[in-house]
Amino acid sequence: AQTVTQSQPEMSVQEAETVTLSCTYDTSENNYYLFWYKQPPSRQMILVIRQEAYKQQNATENRFSVNFQKAAKSFSLKISDSQLGDTAMYFCAFMKHSRGLGTYKYIFGTGTRLKVLA
Amino acid sequence: KAGVTQTPRYLIKTRGQQVTLSCSPISGHRSVSWYQQTPGQGLQFLFEYFSETQRNKGNFPGRFSGRQFSNSRSEMNVSTLELGDSALYLCASSATSGGLFTDTQYFGPGTRLTVL
Repeated sequence: AQTVTQSQPEMSVQEAETVTLSCTYDTSENNYYLFWYKQPPSRQMILVIRQEAYKQQNATENRFSVNFQKAAKSFSLKISDSQLGDTAMYFCAFMKHSRGLGTYKYIFGTGTRLKVLA
Repeated sequence: KAGVTQTPRYLIKTRGQQVTLSCSPISGHRSVSWYQQTPGQGLQFLFEYFSETQRNKGNFPGRFSGRQFSNSRSEMNVSTLELGDSALYLCASSATSGGLFTDTQYFGPGTRLTVL
């Protein structure tokens, strides 16, 4: 069974600094997708960034980028120039399609609570 | 496009009661998934509906059920509430056409259920 591990329950970073959140996963699949979601204190879960496993190039969205290491099954999120609004719970998620069922399955990590300090 | 909406935002119930939560997906999205979020367990998958059919189900007791209507709106029902059912219930929708972008889930704000 697939698992997603976020080993850092809490982290803090100074405003304007860079922080990296770690995520590892376990799967025997070759084709899958990976996501980072952000859940601010207001609770709305927001998509931050997504990556297809067969793409070597790391995904980037403005200040957010990932370091995808497929062989190591690692998918870390780097936040550059941290802002106060980045304070949130960050969830790493793994998704694969279920062959023959026409559906997909998401597995989430337990989250990393990030606090950006002024 | 309007995002995923969930109603109500807050609910307080007592043990033994039942509750129905509602989710309206993003327009054009046909897949709706439900998750239970608790501090100790994180996000736990409940079930997924597509075209009014349950396609996938998590490991929750039969007290948890759902359905989807022809307009893709979905409801989740919990019967005989227990204290442990207190959680944030999140709904997520996706277009689902078999690709990364179409299968990306977008979440609603959640319904906070408190069972006393």
